[in-house]
Amino acid sequence: DTAVSQTPKYLVTQMGNDKSIKCEQNLGHDTMYWYKQDSKKFLKIMFSYNNKELIINETVPNRFSPKSPDKAHLNLHINSLELGDSAVYFCASSQDRGRGKGGYTFGSGTRLTVV
Amino acid sequence: AQSVTQLGSHVSVSEGALVLLRCNYSSSVPPYLFWYVQYPNQGLQLLLKYTTGATLVKGINGFEAEFKKSETSFHLTKPSAHMSDAAEYFCAVSDTGNQFYFGTGTSLTVIP
Repeated sequence: DTAVSQTPKYLVTQMGNDKSIKCEQNLGHDTMYWYKQDSKKFLKIMFSYNNKELIINETVPNRFSPKSPDKAHLNLHINSLELGDSAVYFCASSQDRGRGKGGYTFGSGTRLTVV
Repeated sequence: AQSVTQLGSHVSVSEGALVLLRCNYSSSVPPYLFWYVQYPNQGLQLLLKYTTGATLVKGINGFEAEFKKSETSFHLTKPSAHMSDAAEYFCAVSDTGNQFYFGTGTSLTVIP
């Protein structure tokens, strides 16, 4: 069983479209995250949810909206896609809120290409 | 503010040679420190971590790292590189906040 699963793995879409990326974890973790990895491999946190509550909301365009229907799911919806949104998006989870003592478990990523 | 610096965005070693990937951090509190590996087109996988206790920690695939508080470092080593070690490696630090801070990554190339 995949611990943190993201769908789709690849997403190619045109500018201006709206798309969603789904994430599910079966680890029983309380906290989930979305990270963006750019072409230079730099990882930047976007959002963090703890048990469905938003706890981190970094400076990202408000075209990006996370939704957490339950603590096992954290989806990312992106409106009006732009070329600069092209990146790999990673979902992750951790057992505890805060320092993540146990480390994060990452999904395999969604490669988004906006054309 | 917390930060992580990985010296050398690209490191090349010969197969069988020592691997040394450098990581320095800044943290206002005793940090939790992590190394992750990312193989091509995959997610990040935890290699090892330091939270408390013994400063030399061993991870998967023969990697280890030593927490040196006086040097604010957490360098990753492996005695003998294998071709399969070629990947991107990320150092990360966690403080009392709610997130990790990742370094910019080091791409390891293993030369046959």
